[in-house]
Amino acid sequence: GAVVSQHPSWVICKSGTSVKIECRSLDFQATTMFWYRQFPKQSLMLMATSNEGSKATYEQGVEKDKFLINHASLTLSTLTVTSAHPEDSSFYICSAESPATYEQYFGPGTRLTVT
Amino acid sequence: AQSVTQPDIHITVSEGASLELRCNYSYGATPYLFWYVQSPGQGLQLLLKYFSGDTLVQGIKGFEAEFKRSQSSFNLRKPSVHWSDAAEYFCAVGAMEGGGADGLTFGKGTHLIIQP
Repeated sequence: GAVVSQHPSWVICKSGTSVKIECRSLDFQATTMFWYRQFPKQSLMLMATSNEGSKATYEQGVEKDKFLINHASLTLSTLTVTSAHPEDSSFYICSAESPATYEQYFGPGTRLTVT
Repeated sequence: AQSVTQPDIHITVSEGASLELRCNYSYGATPYLFWYVQSPGQGLQLLLKYFSGDTLVQGIKGFEAEFKRSQSSFNLRKPSVHWSDAAEYFCAVGAMEGGGADGLTFGKGTHLIIQP
């Protein structure tokens, strides 16, 4: 089956620094990837839709200047949390859409802790 | 805007008993419905999905779900649960507008506890 990886799986950073999270589709090409955020014991909230070669589409309330998304290739999307603050601490999950089935395959997630 | 309601935050079931997790959705167009399971420290795993056709959908691990348009529901069922089924279960709805999937809208999840 389709596999999506994320790196790193967990990261701790200091307040004010930036952190980059990678999302890769390992065995298929994905023109569309999605980024979600999950707070402890809560649901996943869609943050943005990442399209290869074009600007990401952000959901209402998500700061595009804070959460920079780049989808430079058909197998890689990155999420950069800029000037991170403790309230950005969360579990970030990406998914990649299979062009054959339009099904989304989810990565294992990245736990970000900002101190 | 679409929404998903999972009315049960926690459900406790005895091992070997049957299970039903409820999911109601609100969506303006034809919905594409999903059930995912999330175990501690692991990513989301797709249990089953409904796009069209037969409204009773079979999934992995012995799960099934039935799409009922009149009730806007997509309840997940399993005839006999195993201790390994203890996890968080999410119902989600999406669209296929423009030929590609949109991001999914998730319910708040149901935490399943299995009693020995």
